[in-house]
Amino acid sequence: EAQVTQNPRYLITVTGKKLTVTCSQNMNHEYMSWYRQDPGLGLRQIYYSMNVEVTDKGDVPEGYKVSRKEKRNFPLILESPSPNQTSLYFCASQHLPDDEQFFGPGTRLTVL
Amino acid sequence: AQSVAQPEDQVNVAEGNPLTVKCTYSVSGNPYLFWYVQYPNRGLQFLLKYITGDNLVKGSYGFEAEFNKSQTSFHLKKPSALVSDSALYFCAVRDRDNYGQNFVFGPGTRLSVLP
Repeated sequence: EAQVTQNPRYLITVTGKKLTVTCSQNMNHEYMSWYRQDPGLGLRQIYYSMNVEVTDKGDVPEGYKVSRKEKRNFPLILESPSPNQTSLYFCASQHLPDDEQFFGPGTRLTVL
Repeated sequence: AQSVAQPEDQVNVAEGNPLTVKCTYSVSGNPYLFWYVQYPNRGLQFLLKYITGDNLVKGSYGFEAEFNKSQTSFHLKKPSALVSDSALYFCAVRDRDNYGQNFVFGPGTRLSVLP
């Protein structure tokens, strides 16, 4: 089954404790992306990757890191999480240039 | 810079009536346009897209959207709403002529279909 998986689905952590949210897709998509969803703000893009070893900032990259060492994986790293990073996070992938994006189920992160 | 506006936070419609969810966009080049739907506690699901060609695009679950270049709009429509259509709807745009550009989503419109 074609899918995008994210782990963990739910995470409660404390300020400053480094964490990684994993994202994996099994569709051989070139493009992968991370979004955060906040009430009234819709989805805002954090980082995206056009292919292996190619990443670029989205609209809200501050406080986040990503890497794309393999085509199927695109982890999101929060080196020092802060409460304003409490949000619902989605990973997505697509085949370029004009296919639709496939979304993961989401990761709900709470930073205390 | 790219941007997407969904002017209505909430749309209410009676079951069986036609529905419209509005979207306007701004890109420097030509757009790829998408509609997604999000049900409670779920990820986003693709509904339809405009790439090129016919301005009227048909998608999943009886939804359709019309691309209007002069008005820079891509409104989502359905002739007869169902209670099960109640969800959060997002419009998204990507600049077709700028290959490296990212996607931009609108803020979302919550659709409530009343029985």
